[in-house]
Amino acid sequence: QVQLVQSGPEVKKPGASVKVSCKASGYTFTTYFIHWLRQAPGQGPEWMGVINPSAGTTTYAPKFQGRVTMTGDTFTSTVYMELSSLRSEDTAVYYCARDRVSSSTALSYEFDPWGQGTVVSVTS
Amino acid sequence: DIVMTQSPDSLAVSLGERATIHCKSSQRVLYTSTNKNSLTWYQQKPGLPPKLLIYWASTRESGVPDRFSGSGSGTDFTLTISSLQAEDVAVYYCQQSYTTPTFGQGTRLEIK
Repeated sequence: QVQLVQSGPEVKKPGASVKVSCKASGYTFTTYFIHWLRQAPGQGPEWMGVINPSAGTTTYAPKFQGRVTMTGDTFTSTVYMELSSLRSEDTAVYYCARDRVSSSTALSYEFDPWGQGTVVSVTS
Repeated sequence: DIVMTQSPDSLAVSLGERATIHCKSSQRVLYTSTNKNSLTWYQQKPGLPPKLLIYWASTRESGVPDRFSGSGSGTDFTLTISSLQAEDVAVYYCQQSYTTPTFGQGTRLEIK
């Protein structure tokens, strides 16, 4: 079955960077876009950006432009999200999620399935 | 950004009764070229990631029980659970994909 398995929890100091991984299995890695979202405690999810694992091309939400980098490794079927210049407001659960439709059709920006989530805590 | 506003923030419904959640977008999310609304509903249980229930406002994802239904168009949308089951206790989110994706604040559904 389709699975996205993320790396473990992270604790970082303000100003540091964090890199979260998301390993895909159960489908052909290069045929679906992967999104990154985050969810602060008690809030709805927030979309951060998307990567085409086949081409390595990315689109980032304006809020995160300049601070986020998404990359992919087709040999290990893994995508990565790195967020820099961390501040306390970045404390959240970070999720990767596959786009609902294959990349041969238009990007749907609908998310299914999701990874299990990675808790990132930013504290001094 | 399009702002998504859900109502109510929380809801308590008796088992077997109908639950209705509303979602309003700050601008229309209807693609006139396809006549499809870019509106998705998710269910999130404690400690788990969101799960996609309904897309295009009313198309149920494979495997989702038919007691879940979505309706609406333009700016006003509704998620209905026709007969509440214990396993439906969760937070429900709407999300638009017409522009940069945005989510509602969530509606917490509990058993009365």
